[in-house]
Amino acid sequence: RKEVEQDPGPFNVPEGATVAFNCTYSNSASQSFFWYRQDCRKEPKLLMSVYSSGNEDGRFTAQLNRASQYISLLIRDSKLSDSATYLCVVNVNTNAGKSTFGDGTTLTVKP
Amino acid sequence: NAGVTQTPKFQVLKTGQSMTLQCAQDMNHNSMYWYRQDPGMGLRLIYYSASEGTTDKGEVPNGYNVSRLNKREFSLRLESAAPSQTSVYFCASRKTSGAYEQYFGPGTRLTVT
Repeated sequence: RKEVEQDPGPFNVPEGATVAFNCTYSNSASQSFFWYRQDCRKEPKLLMSVYSSGNEDGRFTAQLNRASQYISLLIRDSKLSDSATYLCVVNVNTNAGKSTFGDGTTLTVKP
Repeated sequence: NAGVTQTPKFQVLKTGQSMTLQCAQDMNHNSMYWYRQDPGMGLRLIYYSASEGTTDKGEVPNGYNVSRLNKREFSLRLESAAPSQTSVYFCASRKTSGAYEQYFGPGTRLTVT
């Protein structure tokens, strides 16, 4: 079983739709959580951190459920420019600072 | 700030050739990482360096060596390239420990024929 698992998709949605991605992690010692966005053939870029209380950034909402060991990302009012692969990232905050990346969920927003 | 820079952007090697991928960061981060990403696949950690002077193996270290030259620079060397090493290589850095995110360079696209 992978340490971090995501539904690979693809998710194909029309503009304006609401779409949600889930990510599960297996290491209960995990302490910090992030969502990254990766455009085709580009480097991953931080989309948002995920806090225990949940957090929102414009059309994006991230939630953490420690008891069930999953995080989620909700995108409201999807735009064409949201088309990308979304990576779930989990850290055990040791000095090594290693992160575990999910394989990503691909989103395509269509007109 | 340039963030994380990588050179070269593209490289084609013949089987058996060697090369070094360069990475530098100007954010004063302690930790640096090398990943590879094959087409349609996720990131796999090759090597990492938690601080200057230390390096450790990641998930897929075979066929690679690394050098943490100083706090800014972390290089990845392929001693004898193989077609299986055709991939996109990303370097990343972050502050040591704590809830800090990684910052990535633009990647090196390597083809081994």
